[in-house]
Amino acid sequence: DAGVIQSPRHEVTEMGQEVTLRCKPISGHDYLFWYRQTMMRGLELLIYFNNNVPIDDSGMPEDRFSAKMPNASFSTLKIQPSEPRDSAVYFCASSLAPSGPQHFGDGTRLSIL
Amino acid sequence: KNEVEQSPQNLTAQEGEFITINCSYSVGISALHWLQQHPGGGIVSLFMLSSGKKKHGRLIATINIQEKHSSLHITASHPRDSAVYICAVSSRYNTDKLIFGTGTRLQVFP
Repeated sequence: DAGVIQSPRHEVTEMGQEVTLRCKPISGHDYLFWYRQTMMRGLELLIYFNNNVPIDDSGMPEDRFSAKMPNASFSTLKIQPSEPRDSAVYFCASSLAPSGPQHFGDGTRLSIL
Repeated sequence: KNEVEQSPQNLTAQEGEFITINCSYSVGISALHWLQQHPGGGIVSLFMLSSGKKKHGRLIATINIQEKHSSLHITASHPRDSAVYICAVSSRYNTDKLIFGTGTRLQVFP
């Protein structure tokens, strides 16, 4: 089992640029979660999907953020345009059941200059 | 007030010491999770429990549903246990989402 795979591991870009983060969940997991982690706010849920359908996006900060899950094995989180305050570590996680253990990817460390 | 509170925020210990990290929550839950985040950043799920006690190696997690409290114990601590330990709960009313505590940073010195 390869686990949850995220790419890139690190991203440094200038403000105003579009940023795309990618996630491949564990095969067979019906739930996919996108989190953001900062020193100030800890882990925050941005959005989650069940069977590729977005269920709750109330944690998405603003319209600059969007997420898609075109199929069961791939999801993207996009920020356009990016701002310095978006700098954080973004985690993707997947799980088999709603309140079951979540398996986290290694995260993407994003720095917006 | 946060729905999930952890204590202490920071903890240092000597190798071999018994360690306890506490988690209190204010919502009705379907499950409580303990996660571990190492300095490299990766997050690992340690336990998921809804009652009683679970044990895995030197780690023990307990939960008291009536008191809305959970503890994570580490016996015979080792420097490799140094990490941030995060408590999270699944709300009974929205079991899909985790509500996170702010974490406890543990450092174990040799």
